[in-house]
Amino acid sequence: AQSVTQPDIHITVSEGASLELRCNYSYGATPYLFWYVQSPGQGLQLLLKYFSGDTLVQGIKGFEAEFKRSQSSFNLRKPSVHWSDAAEYFCAVGAGNNRKLIWGLGTSLAVNP
Amino acid sequence: GAVVSQHPSRVICKSGTSVKIECRSLDFQATTMFWYRQFPKQSLMLMATSNEGSKATYEQGVEKDKFLINHASLTLSTLTVTSAHPEDSSFYICSASPDRPSTDTQYFGPGTRLTVL
Repeated sequence: AQSVTQPDIHITVSEGASLELRCNYSYGATPYLFWYVQSPGQGLQLLLKYFSGDTLVQGIKGFEAEFKRSQSSFNLRKPSVHWSDAAEYFCAVGAGNNRKLIWGLGTSLAVNP
Repeated sequence: GAVVSQHPSRVICKSGTSVKIECRSLDFQATTMFWYRQFPKQSLMLMATSNEGSKATYEQGVEKDKFLINHASLTLSTLTVTSAHPEDSSFYICSASPDRPSTDTQYFGPGTRLTVL
């Protein structure tokens, strides 16, 4: 069955520290992979996506993610977290001909000053 | 680019009434739009896929007659919650995928907070 797992429900980091949010997927074909961020009271914003090619993908706001087929993972990273990065982060896999998204449960990121 | 709007952003209604939520792609055309529901502190639940000019495709367990979807143009899809009840209170989010270029990427509206009294 197709699924997306975000093992960490909640993460707290200090401002300036590095960040890695984990995402594992189960999908039979080559996946389309996405990371979205949802800030309090705001809609979902696309951070980055992977369809094919270079497995290290650069996104907005200084985020990057690496697709590792052998580990079925698409972890999100940022070298130095800012207080404004506090938000809910969702990993998703595009599935099917109409590319419906299969969502992880999200990781809530808190940033300590 | 790729901006999606929703209206209203927040609505409060009485039990038994119907509420219409609009989703518009402002700077692109979208044959396909999606409607989601999000409960507090939870992930998004896909309700239906809205297709311009044809019937929407509903996910299992979603009542078609309760959540009416109309995708009348390439930039507008509407979700009508009919005979709303308190259990329908939720955050409803739409997304749209541009037709050209076809990016297989969904862009999301800001969401509509529905409260049914």
